[in-house]
Amino acid sequence: NAGVMQNPRHLVRRRGQEARLRCSPMKGHSHVYWYRQLPEEGLKFMVYLQKENIIDESGMPKERFSAEFPKEGPSILRIQQVVRGDSAAYFCASTQTALNEKLFFGSGTQLSVL
Amino acid sequence: AQTVTQSQPEMSVQEAETVTLSCTYDTSESDYYLFWYKQPPSRQMILVIRQEAYKQQNATENRFSVNFQKAAKSFSLKISDSQLGDAAMYFCAYRSVLGYGGSQGNLIFGKGTKLSVKP
Repeated sequence: NAGVMQNPRHLVRRRGQEARLRCSPMKGHSHVYWYRQLPEEGLKFMVYLQKENIIDESGMPKERFSAEFPKEGPSILRIQQVVRGDSAAYFCASTQTALNEKLFFGSGTQLSVL
Repeated sequence: AQTVTQSQPEMSVQEAETVTLSCTYDTSESDYYLFWYKQPPSRQMILVIRQEAYKQQNATENRFSVNFQKAAKSFSLKISDSQLGDAAMYFCAYRSVLGYGGSQGNLIFGKGTKLSVKP
């Protein structure tokens, strides 16, 4: 049973480009959380999605960031017109049900903006 | 809003010895969950141990145990018989009960403690 899969593992973008980060939750999981980890910091919540729905995006920057979790396929975190301050590790976590307190994390995507 | 504080940026322990990592949190809620996650250099976030606030008994998982002091809002992690593979960043995290105060179950993390294990 594969765990939470994130790709790419490393992503390099130049300022102004778009970054797309993918997350495939564990089999049977329909709830996905995205977190961002800045250097020397803990993880910060960004957004919580269920299939085809954004449930809580209170941690998302108001501009340039968006997330989706379609009926079919992985969840996508999209960052438009990246800036150097977007450089961070982005993690996704999945859980089977909303009531399940155990979150399973992927290995993260390290985004570097040149 | 809830906050999690880890006051030790770095800790060091001799192999086979015991080490305790500190975590305090702030909340007005009476029921919640607390976690310790391990993040080795591979970056994978690994759940080490969890505690339900309504349970008075401290959680244990093999060499890992917690000292949960609800009144003091303290949740320390004790690692016994430390091994080289224990070297990692350790994060303490808090999660509200789903739906309480509008919570959607997201985790609130401390800044982490970097643990080194000396052979």
